[in-house]
Amino acid sequence: DTEVTQTPKHLVMGMTNKKSLKCEQHMGHRAMYWYKQKAKKPPELMFVYSYEKLSINESVPSRFSPECPNSSLLNLHLHALQPEDSALYLCASSYGLGSGNTIYFGEGSWLTVV
Amino acid sequence: GENVEQHPSTLSVQEGDSAVIKCTYSDSASNYFPWYKQELGKRPQLIIDIRSNVGEKKDQRIAVTLNKTAKHFSLHITETQPEDSAVYFCAAPLGDSNYQLIWGAGTKLIIKP
Repeated sequence: DTEVTQTPKHLVMGMTNKKSLKCEQHMGHRAMYWYKQKAKKPPELMFVYSYEKLSINESVPSRFSPECPNSSLLNLHLHALQPEDSALYLCASSYGLGSGNTIYFGEGSWLTVV
Repeated sequence: GENVEQHPSTLSVQEGDSAVIKCTYSDSASNYFPWYKQELGKRPQLIIDIRSNVGEKKDQRIAVTLNKTAKHFSLHITETQPEDSAVYFCAAPLGDSNYQLIWGAGTKLIIKP
């Protein structure tokens, strides 16, 4: 099983709403990631968790709040987003953080902020 | 820091012909070079990767070559098929950190029937 599962697949939210994106993997991977991808651009790293602890926050605004409840789950809480935050949000995982560990992506959550 | 340049940005080839996409990197400590394929509306998926201790790796119609001296690596697709149409991204890590993966800008590959 090389699946990273994300829900919801599509989300439309207003600028005052609070919503969450969810991600799950059962590959025993210890590293999990959130990426943001705009159209025609490569994925842009947002957060990295290693062994359920936040390792990297790539200067992401506080309106995005990650959470790792356990080694298989990763959430991204959204609050007071802006229209420019509309994008594809990709969850990913890898066995470890070292170079050479394949990063597996989920199908993504398409977010539209209105 | 690491910088990855990818060319061309768009590549159109006749079905059955070969396609080559090139990337250059700047960090000589980089030792792992993955290639991802992203079909329209889908997730990026690893199609092949190469480590710095080898010069070439093949998997059926796909191959990757690495020139460490010149700091460039290339993706080769032979006998292209319609399902090869996608955006291809190369990447290189900053040092030995997987999370610090620097991505190329992407190449849109169009296979003409």
